[in-house]
Amino acid sequence: DSGVTQTPKHLITATGQRVTLRCSPRSGDLSVYWYQQSLDQGLQFLIQYYNGEERAKGNILERFSAQQFPDLHSELNLSSLELGDSALYFCASSKGGHNAETQYFGPGTRLLVL
Amino acid sequence: GENVEQHPSTLSVQEGDSAVIKCTYSDSASNYFPWYKQELGKRPQLIIDIRSNVGEKKDQRIAVTLNKTAKHFSLHITETQPEDSAVYFCAAPATSGTYKYIFGTGTRLKVLA
Repeated sequence: DSGVTQTPKHLITATGQRVTLRCSPRSGDLSVYWYQQSLDQGLQFLIQYYNGEERAKGNILERFSAQQFPDLHSELNLSSLELGDSALYFCASSKGGHNAETQYFGPGTRLLVL
Repeated sequence: GENVEQHPSTLSVQEGDSAVIKCTYSDSASNYFPWYKQELGKRPQLIIDIRSNVGEKKDQRIAVTLNKTAKHFSLHITETQPEDSAVYFCAAPATSGTYKYIFGTGTRLKVLA
């Protein structure tokens, strides 16, 4: 167990809908990262937050947004869902958000868009 | 630029043999290189990492070597066991001045009993 929690574990929804994925970082970690992993694919970096502020952005679609709250948990919002958005979504956390730190991954949320 | 190349994409070895996976990065200022193991449907888990001030690090059957001149680093697994079967990802910091790191495309390792 990495100490990073994600909810829900599974999510099934329809095209056009909106969902929210939640992540709580390890105790003491200030930075949260979101990744998308499609079937048999690699880890695509979406976005990073540090202490409530956006720090780095990857290839995140405009239909996707995220935020980190004062208690440091983070939410990833996916809207106008398409079939291609079906994937595993991982959250990771690290202490200071620097790229020379270890990132610890949560168990992921499996999203299925029908 | 931001680029981490990982080879091979698949690797099959007999139980007890060694496995080597190699990654190449592009930014000479990169200073931290983790390796993650991901079992099917599970989260990526850190198995070993190395910083740029050392050339090799070992942890039981796993080792990582770093060649800063050639800008590549490798994962070595000795005496492979069936439970080593998984997808392995390397990572390296993205272009200097950013905070993220870039993952390699992954290597699917199969250890045949």
